[in-house]
Amino acid sequence: QLQLQESGPGLVKPSETLSLTCTVSGGSISSSSYYWGWIRQPPGKGLEWIGSIYYSGSTYYNPSLKSRVTISVDTSKNQFSLKLSSVTAADTAVYYCASLKNAFDIWGQGTMVTVSS
Amino acid sequence: QSVLTQPPSVSAAPGQKVTISCSGSSSNIGNNYVSWYQQLPGTAPKLLIYDNNKRPSGIPDRFSGSKSGTSATLGITGLQTGDEADYYCGTWDSSLSAGQVFGGGTKLTVL
Repeated sequence: QLQLQESGPGLVKPSETLSLTCTVSGGSISSSSYYWGWIRQPPGKGLEWIGSIYYSGSTYYNPSLKSRVTISVDTSKNQFSLKLSSVTAADTAVYYCASLKNAFDIWGQGTMVTVSS
Repeated sequence: QSVLTQPPSVSAAPGQKVTISCSGSSSNIGNNYVSWYQQLPGTAPKLLIYDNNKRPSGIPDRFSGSKSGTSATLGITGLQTGDEADYYCGTWDSSLSAGQVFGGGTKLTVL
């Protein structure tokens, strides 16, 4: 049974870089069946897709965030990571990682990240 | 403003049926598969429907999906109080701003 778990700092200062890691267990991140994605949800608001990556390193990003986002994969650790630069209060949200096959089928529990000085 | 349009809220009594709509365009729903997610309070979203009308293992057949043109619909029959949640539709958008898109979400209240 595939499981995903987000980890990283819960508090980031404005203008700094948010960094999160998603650890995949119960399956290989190198599976050709899956892409891997990041989605966020500001408090009280809806879901926003950030970007996705294939195990080969191929990526695609939300155009509205593309200039600030980097998603990478570490197959040796069965992890993929998110970096979001120049954060502001508007980036405060719960960040989820998820596996993407026909849809986002398995989600991590989410991690709250607050942008504040 | 979400690319996909959902009603903010719907409500129905226990045991009844409810439908939730999701409206898009030819660049998203019209030419791509639709998925639906359930988000119970304080939890991560859960996949309910993929490829317009398919249910993952473990999802009861009370939940159904359909698509027609540029709109999709989630149906829930035999409503239970435990179905009270936020529901989101999602799909791929093939426009110049290509990517995964979601609806704004619909709050289901089981009266």
